[in-house]
Amino acid sequence: DGGITQSPKYLFRKEGQNVTLSCEQNLNHDAMYWYRQDPGQGLRLIYYSQIVNDFQKGDIAEGYSVSREKKESFPLTVTSAQKNPTAFYLCASSIGAGELFFGEGSRLTVL
Amino acid sequence: GIQVEQSPPDLILQEGANSTLRCNFSDSVNNLQWFHQNPWGQLINLFYIPSGTKQNGRLSATTVATERYSLLYISSSQTTDSGVYFCAVVPPGNDMRFGAGTRLTVKP
Repeated sequence: DGGITQSPKYLFRKEGQNVTLSCEQNLNHDAMYWYRQDPGQGLRLIYYSQIVNDFQKGDIAEGYSVSREKKESFPLTVTSAQKNPTAFYLCASSIGAGELFFGEGSRLTVL
Repeated sequence: GIQVEQSPPDLILQEGANSTLRCNFSDSVNNLQWFHQNPWGQLINLFYIPSGTKQNGRLSATTVATERYSLLYISSSQTTDSGVYFCAVVPPGNDMRFGAGTRLTVKP
């Protein structure tokens, strides 16, 4: 089945550690996105990529990094510079600026 | 940047009731989507509706792009309709922006 797979679903991290969240899609979509959601809030854009080897910062990119070496993959690294990393992270993809589809999300907790 | 406002922020219904959720946006948009976020956090696509009217079962949506609003109608609500409904828009040359959502609770 085609879709977007995020892993891990749940992740615990100690303060000061970097962690990488995986996002893989087999929909042949060009564009991929990372959003952050805090409890009771909407979604905020962290990074997005419209083509391989290119990506742009969203509204809250500080403390995060991404790469887009393959069309299917868009991993997000939450670095130790991110002051409040505990959140729900959602990956999405689309064909150009068309309909957006989401993965099931990764819930990160910093201990 | 574009502002996306959803109303009401919270809505409580008795099972079987109908409801209308509203999304206002402050500038022209190329795309508009409605999503339902279930209790497990997953975002389910409801409608991709930059303009016009669409229906899918008990749900329908209308976007009037010239007046910068969209409406989501839920008829004969069920407890499984509970969750948060998000409106998201794509302004020209920009990326998708989300409203704060409407939290719907349907009581049996």
